[in-house]
Amino acid sequence: KAGVTQTPRYLIKTRGQQVTLSCSPISGHRSVSWYQQTPGQGLQFLFEYFSETQRNKGNFPGRFSGRQFSNSRSEMNVSTLELGDSALYLCASSLNLDRINEQFFGPGTRLTVL
Amino acid sequence: KNEVEQSPQNLTAQEGEFITINCSYSVGISALHWLQQHPGGGIVSLFMLSSGKKKHGRLIATINIQEKHSSLHITASHPRDSAVYICAVEWVSGGGADGLTFGKGTHLIIQP
Repeated sequence: KAGVTQTPRYLIKTRGQQVTLSCSPISGHRSVSWYQQTPGQGLQFLFEYFSETQRNKGNFPGRFSGRQFSNSRSEMNVSTLELGDSALYLCASSLNLDRINEQFFGPGTRLTVL
Repeated sequence: KNEVEQSPQNLTAQEGEFITINCSYSVGISALHWLQQHPGGGIVSLFMLSSGKKKHGRLIATINIQEKHSSLHITASHPRDSAVYICAVEWVSGGGADGLTFGKGTHLIIQP
């Protein structure tokens, strides 16, 4: 069974640009969560999607958005990039059959904002 | 603010030693996760606990709900165990709205 895949793996953008990151979950998984990891703040929850609906959202500005498609693939978008958005962005998928779910992480997309 | 505290932040040990990493949290949780992150960023889920104890190979995870504390133990440690170990919780009060809250991680180095 293929794992969680994320594209692209590396990305360099400049301030003010926007970026779209993609996540393909494990086949059969309906929940996709996104996380940001920085040296200063560590891992932080961005949002979670389930069956094309955003269920949960972390404490991030509206420049961070996402969506999920009918095949459970998810994208996240960051508009008007700032230097502080440089981070490793991780997505994780889970079956979400009940409240407690093991999460399977992708390799991440490393975003650098210049 | 609900918080997750891990200790120690850094740990260097010799191959074969018994390793313990601790995680404490501030309020009630519905689940606690132990994660492993290797250089390069990939994260692997090691355990998911809501009570008691779980064992997988040389790894053991325990949780004490009353004391709001969990430990991750590694027996017969090996250099390949060198990684960052991260504790993450799902808060009961958030009803799932908060997603996972993470500790800052424990950077473990096992020397041969």
